[in-house]
Amino acid sequence: NAGVTQTPKFRVLKTGQSMTLLCAQDMNHEYMYWYRQDPGMGLRLIHYSVGEGTTAKGEVPDGYNVSRLKKQNFLLGLESAAPSQTSVYFCASSSQTDPLEDQPQHFGDGTRLSIL
Amino acid sequence: AQSVAQPEDQVNVAEGNPLTVKCTYSVSGNPYLFWYVQYPNRGLQFLLKYITGDNLVKGSYGFEAEFNKSQTSFHLKKPSALVSDSALYFCAVRDMGPKTSYDKVIFGPGTSLSVIP
Repeated sequence: NAGVTQTPKFRVLKTGQSMTLLCAQDMNHEYMYWYRQDPGMGLRLIHYSVGEGTTAKGEVPDGYNVSRLKKQNFLLGLESAAPSQTSVYFCASSSQTDPLEDQPQHFGDGTRLSIL
Repeated sequence: AQSVAQPEDQVNVAEGNPLTVKCTYSVSGNPYLFWYVQYPNRGLQFLLKYITGDNLVKGSYGFEAEFNKSQTSFHLKKPSALVSDSALYFCAVRDMGPKTSYDKVIFGPGTSLSVIP
């Protein structure tokens, strides 16, 4: 029972390099989210998607892009990595929001990214 | 704008004693409230939620939380703490007001709980 799988688990980049983080979920969830976690700041929403082919900006979208070409996958891209993007990145998914029965988010185990 | 505050960075409690982790929130519409727990090098795990109904909600691992609308609080509680409860705890809120808000869940900064043997 995989749930939410993030790849890679660790990565070190040099400033200016690009990379893509992959999130895959096998629960047929409509909603998917990308967060970054920094000490003392909790989780901050980068981008999210409410369905295949749709994306929206979260709280801290600058420097990141996302794509949701398939329902089960949500990709996070860094076009030109900066040291300020050193963080732990979490992907999450949830079933479609029902006003009467809100389903919790299921999280992956994170990607630890260091930008030198 | 919606926000979540967890006023304590760190909570220390002796094993067997009751524990409380505090959370207050600010939303424009009705709040949907959640507690998550994070163990080292893992993602967040859902503990419990408040949508509507009874103000006291029960969740996983013996945890419960009390919703207080007048104080805009949703404190996490457990009658008897275990060493294994030591972890990072996050309060979160979904604002069921404007459509632009309720697609997103906002997380608090987290509270580190240490249960001392």
